[in-house]
Amino acid sequence: NAGVTQTPKFRVLKTGQSMTLLCAQDMNHEYMYWYRQDPGMGLRLIHYSVGEGTTAKGEVPDGYNVSRLKKQNFLLGLESAAPSQTSVYFCASRGTGDRFHGYTFGSGTRLTVV
Amino acid sequence: GENVEQHPSTLSVQEGDSAVIKCTYSDSASNYFPWYKQELGKRPQLIIDIRSNVGEKKDQRIAVTLNKTAKHFSLHITETQPEDSAVYFCAASNQGYGGSQGNLIFGKGTKLSVKP
Repeated sequence: NAGVTQTPKFRVLKTGQSMTLLCAQDMNHEYMYWYRQDPGMGLRLIHYSVGEGTTAKGEVPDGYNVSRLKKQNFLLGLESAAPSQTSVYFCASRGTGDRFHGYTFGSGTRLTVV
Repeated sequence: GENVEQHPSTLSVQEGDSAVIKCTYSDSASNYFPWYKQELGKRPQLIIDIRSNVGEKKDQRIAVTLNKTAKHFSLHITETQPEDSAVYFCAASNQGYGGSQGNLIFGKGTKLSVKP
């Protein structure tokens, strides 16, 4: 039982490059989230998904796209990376109703855009 | 949407003293209030949470209080130890059933330092 797994853990991109961050959970959770964490800003919600095939915008969605083709995976894409996207990205998931026991976070991806 | 304010941004205490971190929220529909601890370079870890149907919850040295009328909640850590040093985040959301479930919105964090 791995919980929430994020890959990669570190990445350096050049401005304009693209990449995809992968989040995988093995808890059969319906809801999944992508947050970014910047110094002094806490965690801000980028996009989220309430189930397979669904996605929605969070607080700071610009410059990112997401997909949830399978229930266990939630992908975050950067089509044209910018230095402002240098951040630590956390994925999280949770169950619903009687299966809600709080949010479980992945270990994070540290992304640097130069 | 929900907005969560957290104070103070930094807090330094002597080992053995108590630490209190306070948060306010804006959305009266919010009913779930977790606290996360994040050590340097690690993921946020849930340490305690409270729902709006109770006013206080305690787990060993950690307690959380909630005042729904004033829309604020607080984390209390007693008998602090050096290993309590970390960044603490409060958060709020509406964990309703059916179609009324909101997203977890975080405060900006409090860096707690416990001096031996």
